Amino acid sequence: KNQVEQSPQSLIILEGKNCTLQCNYTVSPFSNLRWYKQDTGRGPVSLTIMTFSENTKSNRRYTATLDADTKQSSLHITASQLSDSASYICVVSAGSKLIFGQGTTLQVKP
Amino acid sequence: DAGVIQSPRHEVTEMGQEVTLRCKPISGHNSLFWYRQTMMRGLELLIYFNNNVPIDDSGMPEDRFSAKMPNASFSTLKIQPSEPRDSAVYFCASSHSGTGSYNEQFFGPGTRLTVL
Repeated sequence: KNQVEQSPQSLIILEGKNCTLQCNYTVSPFSNLRWYKQDTGRGPVSLTIMTFSENTKSNRRYTATLDADTKQSSLHITASQLSDSASYICVVSAGSKLIFGQGTTLQVKP
Repeated sequence: DAGVIQSPRHEVTEMGQEVTLRCKPISGHNSLFWYRQTMMRGLELLIYFNNNVPIDDSGMPEDRFSAKMPNASFSTLKIQPSEPRDSAVYFCASSHSGTGSYNEQFFGPGTRLTVL
């Protein structure tokens, strides 16, 4: 069964700290993996997209990693800011299908 | 570019009524996606079009839901009759190609639907 599991479900950190969000998937055939950021009341915005041949991709303070062997991805946020408070959604493409994770809700406190 | 445009932004209706959600994709994008998001189920892909043709509608929950894309700049998602369990935020997204592509999907602001 195609599945995407994210952890933790929610996370609270202090401004300036780093954090790492996890995404484990059992999806076949694998096409690509995307991380989205969704602010409250808004649509998701793409942070990174990776194919099986890419193991790291950065977008400003966001760095995504992909291990195609273990079927794991992580999103590392460096020097968090209050504006990083949002839901982060991992999405895996399986051919023409998109498999969504339930998301991790991140709250950054001053 | 104005991005993906959705209307209305909010819709409150009574059970049994017909609801029509509208979407204008980004000019030049040839793929369009309709999603539904709820607290319980998260984000779900309902249907996607490529070059105005429905490619995969396996995510459409039941026959009460229908989607059309009469041209490259307009799509509708219709629910008839609506039920309280249809209450959700409905997103439209567009991209240069289909779901298996490397290309980024751009999401609209969503329509928050409440069915009483």
